[in-house]
Amino acid sequence: DTEVTQTPKHLVMGMTNKKSLKCEQHMGHRAMYWYKQKAKKPPELMFVYSYEKLSINESVPSRFSPECPNSSLLNLHLHALQPEDSALYLCASSQDRTTTYEQYFGPGTRLTVT
Amino acid sequence: AQSVAQPEDQVNVAEGNPLTVKCTYSVSGNPYLFWYVQYPNRGLQFLLKYITGDNLVKGSYGFEAEFNKSQTSFHLKKPSALVSDSDLYFCAVRVPQGGGYNKLIFGAGTRLAVHP
Repeated sequence: DTEVTQTPKHLVMGMTNKKSLKCEQHMGHRAMYWYKQKAKKPPELMFVYSYEKLSINESVPSRFSPECPNSSLLNLHLHALQPEDSALYLCASSQDRTTTYEQYFGPGTRLTVT
Repeated sequence: AQSVAQPEDQVNVAEGNPLTVKCTYSVSGNPYLFWYVQYPNRGLQFLLKYITGDNLVKGSYGFEAEFNKSQTSFHLKKPSALVSDSDLYFCAVRVPQGGGYNKLIFGAGTRLAVHP
């Protein structure tokens, strides 16, 4: 099973809402990633978790709060977002943080902030 | 600065003809290079990678890529294009970070359009 699942597929939220994105993998991977992708642009790394610990935070605003409850799950908590945060949010995983291993991506959550 | 470039926004090719999607890189040390394809409104799917060894790397769906160190290039190729190959293709390179960590830097992407 080489699948990374993400829920929900689509999310519309107001600027005062609190919501969460969920990502799950059952490949035994120990590194998990959040990316943000704007339309017609490449993915941009937001966070990296390695063995359930936050390893890289690419200077992401605090209105985005990641969480890794266990080795299979990765959440992204959203609060007080801005319209410019509307994007496709991609989760990925790899065997470990060494990028000789390819990353497997989920289908993404299409987020719209109104 | 460490980076990867895809010089073409779009590549057009007739079905059955060979295709090439170009990628050049600029990194310090040995380059670790990847190709991904993105289907509409979906995540990225891994096609192939170059870590070391043979300069010609074979991947999924009949794609291959040629690593050329002197030209700092990693072009994606396929001998005979299919209409179903029409998608958005990203080249990526590993960039070492501090503390032994690495991250992927993606090129801007190239849209491949295969015409019947």
